[in-house]
Amino acid sequence: DVKVTQSSRYLVKRTGEKVFLECVQDMDHENMFWYRQDPGLGLRLIYFSYDVKMKEKGDIPEGYSVSREKKERFSLILESASTNQTSMYLCASRYSQGAGNQPQHFGDGTRLSIL
Amino acid sequence: AQTVTQSQPEMSVQEAETVTLSCTYDTSESDYYLFWYKQPPSRQMILVIRQEAYKQQNATENRFSVNFQKAAKSFSLKISDSQLGDAAMYFCAYRLGGSQGNLIFGKGTKLSVKP
Repeated sequence: DVKVTQSSRYLVKRTGEKVFLECVQDMDHENMFWYRQDPGLGLRLIYFSYDVKMKEKGDIPEGYSVSREKKERFSLILESASTNQTSMYLCASRYSQGAGNQPQHFGDGTRLSIL
Repeated sequence: AQTVTQSQPEMSVQEAETVTLSCTYDTSESDYYLFWYKQPPSRQMILVIRQEAYKQQNATENRFSVNFQKAAKSFSLKISDSQLGDAAMYFCAYRLGGSQGNLIFGKGTKLSVKP
């Protein structure tokens, strides 16, 4: 089974802090994604990466950056945390080769609170 | 731009009964994939079922089946013999064909199962 591991289930930080959310997958997947999940808004894509050292902006990249130095790890960075970034963050990975119906596999999520 | 609409924010079903969750999408493409994901409370999001647009036959996975109406751009999920463990948020998602491509999610339907 695919394992996508997010470093923290719950995280509390203060306004203005630089925050790192880490995600690791163990299946050599090329594609990795960061989503934000808010009640009534569903999942919104922040950033994604098709492969190592590649990154693309999603729908809501403002206030975030990402890093993908190794294939298995995709980090989400909040440069200067603000209260409106309090949310659930989900990481996902996907095998990009072969059939186009390859699903995304999700981590457990990190519930981030910014005080 | 592609959009996915889930018109039922909440649904309820009696244990052992059947329930249908609605999903419509908007696209001008002919090659795409559709997915239903399940997110139990405080647990990981997992794939329930997937459908290739080029396939006329509706996908089934045990108690879960879809009614895929391509012309109507409708992709509903039917859960038969509902169980308490089916209680969750259900998300419909669309992905454009090709090896790369991001998921576009609906806002979700919260399903409750009454014993």
